[in-house]
Amino acid sequence: DTAVSQTPKYLVTQMGNDKSIKCEQNLGHDTMYWYKQDSKKFLKIMFSYNNKELIINETVPNRFSPKSPDKAHLNLHINSLELGDSAVYFCASSHLRGNYGYTFGSGTRLTVV
Amino acid sequence: LAKTTQPISMDSYEGQEVNITCSHNNIATNDYITWYQQFPSQGPRFIIQGYKTKVTNEVASLFIPADRKSSTLSLPRVSLSDTAVYYCLVGARDDKIIFGKGTRLHILP
Repeated sequence: DTAVSQTPKYLVTQMGNDKSIKCEQNLGHDTMYWYKQDSKKFLKIMFSYNNKELIINETVPNRFSPKSPDKAHLNLHINSLELGDSAVYFCASSHLRGNYGYTFGSGTRLTVV
Repeated sequence: LAKTTQPISMDSYEGQEVNITCSHNNIATNDYITWYQQFPSQGPRFIIQGYKTKVTNEVASLFIPADRKSSTLSLPRVSLSDTAVYYCLVGARDDKIIFGKGTRLHILP
């Protein structure tokens, strides 16, 4: 199936731990994104990569580090997790200058306890 | 990026046509208008995009007046499964997407 897939779907972890979320797209898009949706349901962009190059880096703590090994993958590593990091994280992809909208993954619900 | 304003919530009944209006008074010349739909526990899904006049696809229609300062998403004959949050976004095609609060649409039986 063509899609944006992210793993894991659920992640429960303790404060202070380090965790990673993986994202892969097989749509041939050249740009990938990470969005965070908090408990108030606001969707905020965190990072964007175009052909493995970082092009958007919003005001996000340094504990968050994206990595794009190739243009089909964008992983998110989070160090020293805090309670406030609990949210749903969405990966998305698009053609940077294409005529189509973004395609989002189904989300990773991160709960920090 | 142009700011958008849309109703926080709307209720409608199955079988009705639902129109959600979005205001974007400071839309720029190269901005497009895009609507997304988000179901609970899922990522947003692209519905429709337009620049001016009317755009129609198998899911919805998008009406844009000549001044482009507003747009209306029209969902024909809604069903319970259309209950979702609908986001109106305005920006150039290579802009990052900025989501507002969206409109929470609740379809009643």
